[in-house]
Parts: sequence; C-alpha cells; structure tokens
Amino acid sequence: DAGITQSPRHKVTETGTPVTLRCHQTENHRYMYWYRQDPGHGLRLIHYSYGVKDTDKGEVSDGYSVSRSKTEDFLLTLESATSSQTSVYFCAISEFYTDTQYFGPGTRLTVL
Amino acid sequence: EDKVVQSPLSLVVHEGDTVTLNCSYEVTNFRSLLWYKQEKKAPTFLFMLTSSGIEKKSGRLSSILDKKELFSILNITATQTGDSAVYLCVGNYGGSQGNLIFGKGTKLSVKP
Repeated sequence: DAGITQSPRHKVTETGTPVTLRCHQTENHRYMYWYRQDPGHGLRLIHYSYGVKDTDKGEVSDGYSVSRSKTEDFLLTLESATSSQTSVYFCAISEFYTDTQYFGPGTRLTVL
Repeated sequence: EDKVVQSPLSLVVHEGDTVTLNCSYEVTNFRSLLWYKQEKKAPTFLFMLTSSGIEKKSGRLSSILDKKELFSILNITATQTGDSAVYLCVGNYGGSQGNLIFGKGTKLSVKP
C-alpha cells in the first residue's frame, strides 16, 4: 500500500469553526490531491498540488484552502466550516501528473 | 462536458455468478481509464487501461477498453462475498483541473 496517512480520521465540529485536515505521504510523490466524496456525487476534486508551494483549484474549491510547505505534507483548511462541508475527505498522491493516483484512508468530517 | 457514466448503479448477485460492469466515457485529451474498488474505506487501484482491445487480468477480475466506442467493461468471474464493494470507473485526462473524472460507481453486492 502507498504510504499515505490522513489525520484526523474522524472529526465533529460546529458551524463557523476553522478545521485543518492533514495528509502525509512517505512516497516522495510530486502530486497530491484533496477530494471529497458525497452520496450521489462520487469523488470530486477540491484542490491539488504539483510541488512545494504550488497548488491549483479543482472542481469544488469554494470554501477551502490548501498549503504545501513540504513535499510530504498537504493541508486542507476549511476557514469557517459549514454543514454543506460534511463529507468524507480523501487525499491522493501520484508520481506524475497523468499517473495512477493512490488514496489515503479518508477523514470523516461532520459539521453540526 | 467531460463525463464518465457507469451502469448499472447497483447489482445484486450470488456467490459464483459472473458479473460485467459497464463504463462509458467522454473525456477530452483522454490518456487512460482506471478502475478502482472501494469498500468502506479508500478506493484501491485495480487496473489502468490505455490501449484498445488489450485485456488486463488480475485473478478473477479482468477489464478491457474500446477507444473507438468509448467504453470499458470490468468482469468478475466466480464472485465471492469479498467482491462486494463499489467499483469506480475513472477517466484520466490532461486537463488543467487535476486529471481524473470519476464515475458515480457501481455498487456490487454478492450474497452467499
């Protein structure tokens, strides 16, 4: 299995609070991605990174920001969580842009 | 608009049956088609298909791509209860917003 961990694995928070999710990889892959998965929508890309300090928006980026200060860590921040951001969040990595992506175990976030 | 459509959305079979899952795609700058298996956790990679007519096999699972007709199938023979999962078909393209387009998945339930 690809060396990808996510923390926390579960989180319950309240509307309006900031939340940061962490993705950590030990594969030294250049590309890292954040997805959310919701019933009826499948997996949707939030943001991705193509190197340290290099990030770009995905399909559903509103309300989210990301940072990547080290190759191995990719952070997803919800500045002010809303109930619509209740979801399962997956991090993924790939060695090359067009390469297969490998997924982390996921974080289940509930915003009350 | 790029899209990946899977059918059926859900399927119930009995152990020992053979199943075929379908995936059609419309993806600009198409590079490959991926299949993932998702149980109650992260998607795990099954196959990457890039060439038409070449079957990929792994145990009881096999898959093939038709780039002319823009579809792929995933076959599972002699199904087991451990095959119960959601199977995701994913289009891989050279787009600017990440590079994967996910289908909504086929939920396979294998009954003993």
